[in-house]
Amino acid sequence: SQTIHQWPATLVQPVGSPLSLECTVEGTSNPNLYWYRQAAGRGLQLLFYSVGIGQISSEVPQNLSASRPQDRQFILSSKKLLLSDSGFYLCAWSVRGQANQPQHFGDGTRLSIL
Amino acid sequence: GNSVTQMEGPVTLSEEAFLTINCTYTATGYPSLFWYVQYPGEGLQLLLKATKADDKGSNKGFEATYRKETTSFHLEKGSVQVSDSAVYFCALSGLPNFGNEKLTFGTGTRLTIIP
Repeated sequence: SQTIHQWPATLVQPVGSPLSLECTVEGTSNPNLYWYRQAAGRGLQLLFYSVGIGQISSEVPQNLSASRPQDRQFILSSKKLLLSDSGFYLCAWSVRGQANQPQHFGDGTRLSIL
Repeated sequence: GNSVTQMEGPVTLSEEAFLTINCTYTATGYPSLFWYVQYPGEGLQLLLKATKADDKGSNKGFEATYRKETTSFHLEKGSVQVSDSAVYFCALSGLPNFGNEKLTFGTGTRLTIIP
């Protein structure tokens, strides 16, 4: 069966510090991968998605970036965090190339910026 | 473009009450429809789905029917429990476009069940 792992589960960082959140998927190949952010009490905002290694599409301009160094690894990064980067970050995967497939989410990383 | 409109919350019900959370959508083509549930501090879990008109998705006592004529996918449960307290998201997907299958999410409805 397929599983998705995100880490860390929680993170407290000072403003201006760098960020690296990691997401890996097991049990499937060539997945689509997604990063979302959820502000407190709000809905989901799609940040990045990837259909293959090195292929990243950005949905919202911001100081975050994403990379996909391996087929099942998706990394969310920042060189300098802002207060507004606080939130709950969710990684998800879906089956590539098939219509009408759901996305499957990790447990999320709660990021607090001080 | 695609869009999903969910009933605004929060919704507070007593245990064993009947639940309806409304969801309507706008989409081109023939999307699949999903309900996700998010328990406090956790990621989203797929609750149920329907892939074509008149399909009924069901899971854990929850049901939703894909109504193409009213472009709706309302979530229902006959008797809610305290453990159903969570945020519920309606979402739709479409045909793949060059290998990308994005979902369009509603804003979420927070449900609280009181004993």
